[in-house]
Amino acid sequence: AQTVTQSQPEMSVQEAETVTLSCTYDTSENNYYLFWYKQPPSRQMILVIRQEAYKQQNATENRFSVNFQKAAKSFSLKISDSQLGDTAMYFCAFMKSLNSGNTPLVFGKGTRLSVIA
Amino acid sequence: EAGVTQFPSHSVIEKGQTVTLRCDPISGHDNLYWYRRVMGKEIKFLLHFVKESKQDESGMPNNRFLAERTGGTYSTLKVQPAELEDSGVYFCASSRTGLWTEAFFGQGTRLTVV
Repeated sequence: AQTVTQSQPEMSVQEAETVTLSCTYDTSENNYYLFWYKQPPSRQMILVIRQEAYKQQNATENRFSVNFQKAAKSFSLKISDSQLGDTAMYFCAFMKSLNSGNTPLVFGKGTRLSVIA
Repeated sequence: EAGVTQFPSHSVIEKGQTVTLRCDPISGHDNLYWYRRVMGKEIKFLLHFVKESKQDESGMPNNRFLAERTGGTYSTLKVQPAELEDSGVYFCASSRTGLWTEAFFGQGTRLTVV
């Protein structure tokens, strides 16, 4: 079974600064996807960034980037130039890759990020 | 395009009562998932529909939980009778068919059993 661990229950960062959220996972699979989801207060969860395990290049989406270390089973999220709107709960998630299509997501416990003005 | 919609947003019921949660996926999304987050813990998978069929229900905690997806459209999750440990936030997500397609989540239903 796969597990996802987020060791930082809460974090805070000053506006315009950079913050890194940690995530490690455990799996015996070779093909899989990793995700970071963001859930703002009282709003639905949205996908921030996705990484395919077979790709060595780290994924980047504007101010969001990941540091994917497959051998170490680590998948951290870096948020640059933090904005007040980045305040949210961030979930790291894992999904097995199957030729038949999507499989359920396995989530970590989440990290609550507060961006301070 | 409307997103994934869940009803109700909050529900407070007494132990032993029945509650039915509803999820309306994005139109055209064959995949529908139910997840649950108990306070302070991980979001856990409950089950997965492909159209009206249950693809995977390995996460359903026990037979007090019954999920249906009539006609492959909206889905309901009934808890009967509810227990205190059923309290949590129930999330629904939907996605298109494909090798990998993004899952879109609803806002969740916060269930409190007292």
